[in-house]
Formats: sequence, C-alpha cells, structure tokens
Amino acid sequence: GIQVEQSPPDLILQEGANSTLRCNFSDSVNNLQWFHQNPWGQLINLFYIPSGTKQNGRLSATTVATERYSLLYISSSQTTDSGVYFCFGNNRKLIWGLGTSLAVNP
Amino acid sequence: NAGVTQTPKFRVLKTGQSMTLLCAQDMNHEYMYWYRQDPGMGLRLIHYSVGEGTTAKGEVPDGYNVSRLKKQNFLLGLESAAPSQTSVYFCASSYSTPAFKGNQPQHFGDGTRLSIL
Repeated sequence: GIQVEQSPPDLILQEGANSTLRCNFSDSVNNLQWFHQNPWGQLINLFYIPSGTKQNGRLSATTVATERYSLLYISSSQTTDSGVYFCFGNNRKLIWGLGTSLAVNP
Repeated sequence: NAGVTQTPKFRVLKTGQSMTLLCAQDMNHEYMYWYRQDPGMGLRLIHYSVGEGTTAKGEVPDGYNVSRLKKQNFLLGLESAAPSQTSVYFCASSYSTPAFKGNQPQHFGDGTRLSIL
C-alpha cells in the first residue's frame, strides 16, 4: 500500500523561530490536507491543498503533486503552535501520516 | 454552526460492557467516518458510510458496529468492550466523494476519549 512519511517526527523550537514540516508519499494521492492536533486533542483542519501553495497568517503550505510531497511552513512560531501536525490524503483508501510532534518553548 | 459533534466526550467502561458513540453533523455531508487514534499509530479508519443507510468497513473494523439511519448521524457501537479498544475516537464527515477519489476536505469532531478497564 501507499506509504506516507512525515519529517521530522519531533521538533522543538524556541518561540519566534521558523520551521518546515514535510510529508512524502510513496505514490500519488488526492485530497491532501494538513491538520493540527492541539494539546487538548482537537483536530483542526489547516489546509486543504491538493496542489499549489496556500497561506493563512503565519502558516503556509505547498504541495507538489507530481513529486508526491507537501510542505507546511510555520513562521514566527508561538507556544500555541505546539501539538502534532498530520498530513492526510487518499488514493482508493484514506492515508494518514504518523505526525510531527512540535513543541514551542517560550 | 456546530459542524461535527461527538457525544460523549469521555467514558469509562468495564470489560464486556456495551456502549454507543454518537456523531452528528449539520453540514449535509454524504460521507461520514469513524477513526480511532492510538499513541504512535496515527489515525486508523474503523468504518465509514457513503450515505444514509449504508456502511462499510475500514482498516480496523473488528469489535465495532455502525449504523447510519439518518444522514446527519453516524453511530459507533461496541457490543462487548475490550481493553484493546481503549482509545480516542474521532468522527469526521465530508461531501460526496466516489471511492475515495474525491476532492473534498474532512471535518472532524472533538473526539471521544474511551477507557476500558
């Protein structure tokens, strides 16, 4: 089946730092999305980004569908960015990454 | 807009007990999904529904049953709870998408934390 790899698995940042999270798929996927799971467990949809680039405040995402990867950029990180970031897509089945666990320290 | 609402938010059961988790969405979505999330394993699909009156198995369906009697509700049942079913359960919904080839985002509830002793 299709494999998805998220990197890095864990990340610790100082408040104000920038970071890039990556999601690689072993085959083409549709419907790529990025989610943030906050420390309270809520899953928040950040981007629906099957291709191209989108920006929302300090966050932006880029998907290069032909090369089967997506990037999530976090700029000027804040403690409220802490949590786990998941990428998700589908190709005849639903495919979730295992997440990048981010801790932003004040 | 409530979006996707899950009840209850927390529950503790004893082994062998039964219970039903309720998911309700007010977005007129055709597709609904039940996932479980366990440490280090991401989200895994238990069952899903492509419309009222239909259900289908996902990755990890054993020990669970589901029903979609109304378009807005998707119920997940545990007939005889086991400690291995201790998990956080998420419900999600999306617009119609044929055979998971579609292009609609999923919307999630806040989760139900279930512990089975």
